[in-house]
Amino acid sequence: GDSVTQMEGPVTLSEEAFLTINCTYTATGYPSLFWYVQYPGEGLQLLLKATKADDKGSNKGFEATYRKETTSFHLEKGSVQVSDSAVYFCALQHASGGSYIPTFGRGTSLIVHP
Amino acid sequence: DTGVSQDPRHKITKRGQNVTFRCDPISEHNRLYWYRQTLGQGPEFLTYFQNEAQLEKSRLLSDRFSAERPKGSFSTLEIQRTEQGDSAMYLCASSRLPTYEQYFGPGTRLTVT
Repeated sequence: GDSVTQMEGPVTLSEEAFLTINCTYTATGYPSLFWYVQYPGEGLQLLLKATKADDKGSNKGFEATYRKETTSFHLEKGSVQVSDSAVYFCALQHASGGSYIPTFGRGTSLIVHP
Repeated sequence: DTGVSQDPRHKITKRGQNVTFRCDPISEHNRLYWYRQTLGQGPEFLTYFQNEAQLEKSRLLSDRFSAERPKGSFSTLEIQRTEQGDSAMYLCASSRLPTYEQYFGPGTRLTVT
Protein backbone atom coordinates (compact mmCIF):
# COMPACT_ATOMS: atom_id res chain seq x y z
CA GLY A 1 0.00 0.00 0.00
CA ASP A 2 0.87 3.66 -0.13
CA SER A 3 3.07 5.19 2.55
CA VAL A 4 4.73 8.52 3.38
CA THR A 5 7.88 8.86 5.48
CA GLN A 6 8.96 12.14 7.01
CA MET A 7 12.05 13.04 8.94
CA GLU A 8 11.71 12.87 12.69
CA GLY A 9 11.30 16.07 14.62
CA PRO A 10 11.44 18.36 16.26
CA VAL A 11 13.49 20.49 13.93
CA THR A 12 14.83 23.45 15.88
CA LEU A 13 16.18 26.48 14.01
CA SER A 14 17.06 30.07 14.61
CA GLU A 15 15.16 32.77 12.79
CA GLU A 16 16.38 33.35 9.20
CA ALA A 17 17.93 29.87 8.98
CA PHE A 18 17.39 27.59 5.97
CA LEU A 19 14.80 24.86 6.37
CA THR A 20 14.58 21.42 4.83
CA ILE A 21 12.05 18.80 5.91
CA ASN A 22 12.50 15.52 4.08
CA CYS A 23 9.58 13.51 2.72
CA THR A 24 9.70 10.30 0.72
CA TYR A 25 6.83 8.19 -0.47
CA THR A 26 5.92 4.75 -1.72
CA ALA A 27 3.04 4.49 -4.15
CA THR A 28 2.01 2.95 -7.42
CA GLY A 29 1.35 5.25 -10.32
CA TYR A 30 1.56 9.01 -10.10
CA PRO A 31 -0.12 10.44 -7.03
CA SER A 32 -0.52 14.11 -6.26
CA LEU A 33 1.69 15.28 -3.40
CA PHE A 34 0.87 17.81 -0.70
CA TRP A 35 2.33 19.62 2.27
CA TYR A 36 -0.07 20.63 5.03
CA VAL A 37 0.72 22.75 8.08
CA GLN A 38 -0.93 22.58 11.49
CA TYR A 39 -0.52 25.50 13.86
CA PRO A 40 -1.15 24.90 17.57
CA GLY A 41 -4.83 24.44 18.34
CA GLU A 42 -5.88 24.59 14.69
CA GLY A 43 -6.79 22.21 11.89
CA LEU A 44 -4.50 21.33 9.03
CA GLN A 45 -4.11 23.86 6.21
CA LEU A 46 -2.87 23.14 2.73
CA LEU A 47 0.54 24.76 2.26
CA LEU A 48 1.44 23.65 -1.27
CA LYS A 49 0.92 20.87 -3.78
CA ALA A 50 2.34 19.26 -6.93
CA THR A 51 0.39 17.03 -9.26
CA LYS A 52 3.03 15.56 -11.58
CA ALA A 53 6.71 14.79 -11.78
CA ASP A 54 9.07 17.81 -11.77
CA ASP A 55 6.28 20.16 -10.70
CA LYS A 56 7.32 22.67 -8.05
CA GLY A 57 4.75 23.77 -5.52
CA SER A 58 5.32 27.05 -3.71
CA ASN A 59 3.54 29.24 -1.18
CA LYS A 60 4.56 31.76 1.50
CA GLY A 61 8.24 31.24 0.74
CA PHE A 62 8.02 27.45 1.02
CA GLU A 63 8.85 25.24 -1.95
CA ALA A 64 8.81 21.54 -2.76
CA THR A 65 9.60 19.71 -6.02
CA TYR A 66 7.97 16.42 -7.05
CA ARG A 67 10.91 14.08 -7.73
CA LYS A 68 9.69 10.86 -9.31
CA GLU A 69 13.17 9.35 -9.62
CA THR A 70 13.84 9.63 -5.90
CA THR A 71 10.16 9.43 -4.81
CA SER A 72 10.66 12.56 -2.75
CA PHE A 73 8.89 15.85 -2.04
CA HIS A 74 11.19 17.71 0.35
CA LEU A 75 9.94 20.98 1.85
CA GLU A 76 12.32 23.96 1.84
CA LYS A 77 12.33 27.57 2.91
CA GLY A 78 15.21 29.95 2.58
CA SER A 79 14.66 32.00 5.73
CA VAL A 80 12.30 30.81 8.47
CA GLN A 81 10.41 33.03 10.87
CA VAL A 82 9.18 32.42 14.40
CA SER A 83 5.65 32.37 12.97
CA ASP A 84 6.55 29.27 10.90
CA SER A 85 6.67 27.21 14.10
CA ALA A 86 4.12 24.45 13.50
CA VAL A 87 3.78 20.80 12.55
CA TYR A 88 4.23 20.00 8.85
CA PHE A 89 2.60 16.97 7.20
CA CYS A 90 3.51 15.45 3.86
CA ALA A 91 0.68 13.63 2.09
CA LEU A 92 -0.19 11.88 -1.15
CA GLN A 93 -3.42 11.10 -2.94
CA HIS A 94 -4.19 9.43 -6.23
CA ALA A 95 -6.39 11.46 -8.51
CA SER A 96 -7.33 8.64 -10.84
CA GLY A 97 -6.99 4.96 -11.58
CA GLY A 98 -6.81 3.69 -8.05
CA SER A 99 -7.53 4.31 -4.43
CA TYR A 100 -8.53 7.84 -3.58
CA ILE A 101 -7.60 7.33 0.06
CA PRO A 102 -5.24 10.08 1.23
CA THR A 103 -2.08 8.99 3.05
CA PHE A 104 -0.31 11.27 5.50
CA GLY A 105 3.11 11.16 7.09
CA ARG A 106 3.54 11.37 10.86
CA GLY A 107 4.35 15.05 10.79
CA THR A 108 7.50 17.02 11.58
CA SER A 109 7.45 19.63 14.29
CA LEU A 110 9.34 22.85 13.52
CA ILE A 111 10.42 25.19 16.30
CA VAL A 112 11.93 28.52 15.31
CA HIS A 113 13.69 30.60 17.96
CA PRO A 114 14.12 34.38 17.70
CA ASP B 1 -16.77 30.63 2.45
CA THR B 2 -17.00 30.00 6.19
CA GLY B 3 -14.69 27.00 6.33
CA VAL B 4 -15.25 23.52 7.69
CA SER B 5 -16.85 23.43 11.12
CA GLN B 6 -17.01 20.61 13.63
CA ASP B 7 -19.15 20.18 16.68
CA PRO B 8 -18.46 19.69 19.51
CA ARG B 9 -14.86 20.79 19.82
CA HIS B 10 -14.36 18.70 22.93
CA LYS B 11 -16.20 15.66 24.22
CA ILE B 12 -15.60 13.80 27.45
CA THR B 13 -17.50 10.58 27.85
CA LYS B 14 -17.46 7.49 29.98
CA ARG B 15 -16.44 4.13 28.62
CA GLY B 16 -19.36 2.32 27.07
CA GLN B 17 -21.29 5.42 26.07
CA ASN B 18 -22.13 6.34 22.49
CA VAL B 19 -20.92 9.60 20.98
CA THR B 20 -21.77 11.44 17.77
CA PHE B 21 -19.76 14.15 16.08
CA ARG B 22 -20.95 16.52 13.40
CA CYS B 23 -19.07 18.04 10.48
CA ASP B 24 -20.31 20.85 8.23
CA PRO B 25 -18.17 21.08 5.10
CA ILE B 26 -17.63 24.09 2.89
CA SER B 27 -20.79 24.55 0.88
CA GLU B 28 -20.67 22.94 -2.57
CA HIS B 29 -17.76 20.70 -1.58
CA ASN B 30 -18.83 17.28 -2.75
CA ARG B 31 -16.22 15.19 -0.95
CA LEU B 32 -16.06 14.82 2.79
CA TYR B 33 -13.44 12.88 4.75
CA TRP B 34 -13.14 11.69 8.33
CA TYR B 35 -9.79 11.06 10.03
CA ARG B 36 -8.50 10.13 13.45
CA GLN B 37 -5.35 11.77 14.76
CA THR B 38 -3.48 10.65 17.84
CA LEU B 39 -0.64 12.49 19.53
CA GLY B 40 2.48 12.60 17.42
CA GLN B 41 0.83 10.98 14.40
CA GLY B 42 -0.56 12.17 11.12
CA PRO B 43 -4.24 11.96 10.23
CA GLU B 44 -5.39 8.37 9.84
CA PHE B 45 -8.05 7.99 7.16
CA LEU B 46 -11.38 6.51 8.32
CA THR B 47 -13.93 7.02 5.56
CA TYR B 48 -15.08 9.40 2.86
CA PHE B 49 -18.19 10.47 1.00
CA GLN B 50 -18.79 11.80 -2.44
CA ASN B 51 -22.05 13.67 -2.14
CA GLU B 52 -24.24 11.33 -0.08
CA ALA B 53 -22.50 8.12 -1.17
CA GLN B 54 -19.99 6.56 1.22
CA LEU B 55 -17.33 5.35 -1.20
CA GLU B 56 -14.86 3.87 1.23
CA LYS B 57 -15.52 2.52 4.69
CA SER B 58 -13.17 -0.40 5.01
CA ARG B 59 -10.79 1.72 7.09
CA LEU B 60 -13.29 2.41 9.84
CA LEU B 61 -11.56 1.11 12.92
CA SER B 62 -14.24 -1.36 13.98
CA ASP B 63 -17.93 -2.01 13.56
CA ARG B 64 -18.49 0.38 16.46
CA PHE B 65 -17.69 3.24 14.08
CA SER B 66 -20.19 4.48 11.53
CA ALA B 67 -20.68 7.60 9.46
CA GLU B 68 -23.50 9.17 7.51
CA ARG B 69 -24.02 12.04 5.12
CA PRO B 70 -27.73 11.81 4.49
CA LYS B 71 -28.30 14.72 2.14
CA GLY B 72 -24.83 15.24 0.83
CA SER B 73 -24.21 18.21 3.10
CA PHE B 74 -23.26 17.75 6.76
CA SER B 75 -21.94 14.44 8.06
CA THR B 76 -21.96 12.62 11.39
CA LEU B 77 -19.49 10.15 12.82
CA GLU B 78 -20.79 7.88 15.57
CA ILE B 79 -18.79 5.71 17.91
CA GLN B 80 -20.79 3.16 19.88
CA ARG B 81 -19.70 1.61 23.18
CA THR B 82 -16.66 3.86 23.44
CA GLU B 83 -13.37 2.48 24.73
CA GLN B 84 -10.41 4.32 26.24
CA GLY B 85 -8.45 3.60 23.08
CA ASP B 86 -10.92 5.74 21.13
CA SER B 87 -9.54 8.86 22.82
CA ALA B 88 -8.13 10.97 20.00
CA MET B 89 -8.76 13.99 17.80
CA TYR B 90 -11.33 13.35 15.08
CA LEU B 91 -10.84 15.50 12.00
CA CYS B 92 -13.16 16.27 9.15
CA ALA B 93 -12.11 17.66 5.79
CA SER B 94 -13.85 18.53 2.55
CA SER B 95 -12.81 19.04 -1.04
CA ARG B 96 -14.38 19.84 -4.37
CA LEU B 97 -13.72 17.79 -7.44
CA PRO B 98 -11.76 17.90 -9.65
CA THR B 99 -9.15 19.16 -7.17
CA TYR B 100 -8.04 17.04 -4.25
CA GLU B 101 -6.98 19.83 -1.92
CA GLN B 102 -8.59 19.23 1.41
CA TYR B 103 -9.89 21.87 3.78
CA PHE B 104 -9.83 20.71 7.38
CA GLY B 105 -12.00 21.58 10.31
CA PRO B 106 -10.56 22.28 13.78
CA GLY B 107 -11.34 18.77 14.99
CA THR B 108 -13.26 17.21 17.86
CA ARG B 109 -11.15 16.02 20.76
CA LEU B 110 -12.63 12.93 22.39
CA THR B 111 -11.62 11.80 25.85
CA VAL B 112 -12.97 8.49 27.11
CA THR B 113 -12.68 8.03 30.86
